[in-house]
Amino acid sequence: SYVLTQPPSVSVAPGQTARITCGGNNIGSKSVHWYQQKPGQAPVLVVYDDSDRPSGIPERFSGSNSGNTATLSISRVEAGDEADYYCQVWDSSSDHYVFGTGTKVTVL
Amino acid sequence: QVQLVESGGGVVQPGRSLRLSCAASGFTFHTYAMHWVRQAPGKGLEWVAVIWFDGSNEYYADSVKGRFTISRHNSKNTLYLQMNSLRAEDTAVYYCARMSGGSSMSWFDPWGQGTLVTVSS
Repeated sequence: SYVLTQPPSVSVAPGQTARITCGGNNIGSKSVHWYQQKPGQAPVLVVYDDSDRPSGIPERFSGSNSGNTATLSISRVEAGDEADYYCQVWDSSSDHYVFGTGTKVTVL
Repeated sequence: QVQLVESGGGVVQPGRSLRLSCAASGFTFHTYAMHWVRQAPGKGLEWVAVIWFDGSNEYYADSVKGRFTISRHNSKNTLYLQMNSLRAEDTAVYYCARMSGGSSMSWFDPWGQGTLVTVSS
């Protein structure tokens, strides 16, 4: 089965840029989506199709995808960005949907 | 506005059954595929199942295949998850989510608020 690997945690100072990686075999050939989940809340889509943002999501959130790594970047980080972030793809070989292991972003 | 509201969670003994519901509103339910995703306490997200917009196809995670059944009633704008032979490891918050984007590689948006299922004797 397809596996997506994320770092367990990322720490960043306010105003700096947080980068969250999502590793998978040839992930660059897939469409990657990213979700933000704050404690006690449902996940919220922040980036879809590698780099597109839903309406209402700040431009500070951006994504890229190439080779074996997809990346979610959060620029000018704010305290309100503290959350867990998950990447997700569709595995066409199994018709299964796969989530990454999740990354906790801490704003110092 | 688009809204998904899950219900049916609770405490159930191992080996018993439970049916979850997800009421959809604010969009044309019968034109979207729908998912169930779960999250065990303190753990990450785990995809459970998907059903096509017309119910013609269903796919399941290996961990629930043969025990869980996803279904929908389009005239009632409702998604279901029938869970049989429940195990302790099925304890989780269960979310329903709409598959947006129009293809299998699409994303989950929006999500419901979730309903907690606890499997315990």
